Amino acid sequence: GQQVMQIPQYQHVQEGEDFTTYCNSSTTLSNIQWYKQRPGGHPVFLIQLVKSGEVKKQKRLTFQFGEAKKNSSLHITATQTTDVGTYFCTPIGGSNYKLTFGKGTLLTVNP
Amino acid sequence: EAGVAQSPRYKIIEKRQSVAFWCNPISGHATLYWYQQILGQGPKLLIQFQNNGVVDDSQLPKDRFSAERLKGVDSTLKIQPAKLEDSAVYLCASSLRQWRMNTEAFFGQGTRLTVV
Repeated sequence: GQQVMQIPQYQHVQEGEDFTTYCNSSTTLSNIQWYKQRPGGHPVFLIQLVKSGEVKKQKRLTFQFGEAKKNSSLHITATQTTDVGTYFCTPIGGSNYKLTFGKGTLLTVNP
Repeated sequence: EAGVAQSPRYKIIEKRQSVAFWCNPISGHATLYWYQQILGQGPKLLIQFQNNGVVDDSQLPKDRFSAERLKGVDSTLKIQPAKLEDSAVYLCASSLRQWRMNTEAFFGQGTRLTVV
């Protein structure tokens, strides 16, 4: 399966600060999905990126897919306590289109 | 639209006992996944079904874990015998996969297994 490295593994911010997490792959990705998992909860789909250079926005969240389709990022503007959770990027690809998760980035927000 | 249903929500068993988890995916979803999530880690894919066929079970410990998807709808995951390290949340997810394009996966609430 396709592997990605997600950084940072942990991020603690003050409420109102911005936050970014990055996914990097050594191989070209077919597409990539982002999920959020709140503490004690289950992963919830945020978005899917398919096209090279794609940028999508959801309110304070901005998702990017690199031109070479080897990296992706999620940027949150002016974090809120409701943003707390683990953010996962999941590469989609391979003959079976497996949905695999890495360690993700755990975001904590200090009010 | 009803979500992915899982049962039970919680289970406590002794090591060497057996346990089974049940999942009912969203109606019409061809792809079904079982994940194991140990505290502090990301979900680990155990098995992926496409309709009633297995497309990936490379990380399923087949000496003790088994899974089936009855008639391409409901699915059960069994552990026999359980070990202490099997303590985790077991997540079921489903997606409406279209040809060459994955759609979003919907997750159930999970089953929290504690092996003592």
